[in-house]
Amino acid sequence: GQQLNQSPQSMFIQEGEDVSMNCTSSSIFNTWLWYKQDPGEGPVLLIALYKAGELTSNGRLTAQFGITRKDSFLNISASIPSDVGIYFCAGYNTGNQFYFGTGTSLTVIP
Amino acid sequence: NAGVMQNPRHLVRRRGQEARLRCSPMKGHSHVYWYRQLPEEGLKFMVYLQKENIIDESGMPKERFSAEFPKEGPSILRIQQVVRGDSAAYFCASSRGPTYQPQHFGDGTRLSIL
Repeated sequence: GQQLNQSPQSMFIQEGEDVSMNCTSSSIFNTWLWYKQDPGEGPVLLIALYKAGELTSNGRLTAQFGITRKDSFLNISASIPSDVGIYFCAGYNTGNQFYFGTGTSLTVIP
Repeated sequence: NAGVMQNPRHLVRRRGQEARLRCSPMKGHSHVYWYRQLPEEGLKFMVYLQKENIIDESGMPKERFSAEFPKEGPSILRIQQVVRGDSAAYFCASSRGPTYQPQHFGDGTRLSIL
């Protein structure tokens, strides 16, 4: 069945470094979403993307809707300790079915 | 996560008992989704409901699990005769519409089975 594959699975970075992660699907998506989940809490929506090629920022976060519509990217600039958490991509395919990615666990070392 | 309210936050049940998890969607949202999450794993879709209708229950186990979203009141996820394997975090999300709308999540109910 449909899967959203995220990479990398986990990242360990120094505070201040930039972070990049991506999400790929086997089929075309109409909407891409990026969420962050902290321990013991629900996922929080960070960025929503609706058009191929769209580039959207939310503070130090920037996400892009891939031109092929089969991938999306999330970048975090100048990471800080509170960026620690699990980042999930999600999206709706052309059949309006919603899928979650496998998650990228981010650890920021002060 | 202000807006989507789930209760209780933690629920402990003994094997064989029933568990009822409640979810009130964000104001203006009429679409509700339930997910299950095991430790160190992603969210697994269970069921999608609109008011008084189950739209997609393809992720829901065929036995012991049921969900409803009545005309008035919260959505309820009900697990009968719980077993140890039901221990997990259950998240509810809501959206404004059915088509390509972002889902907003509650903080979940952590179900522990003794």
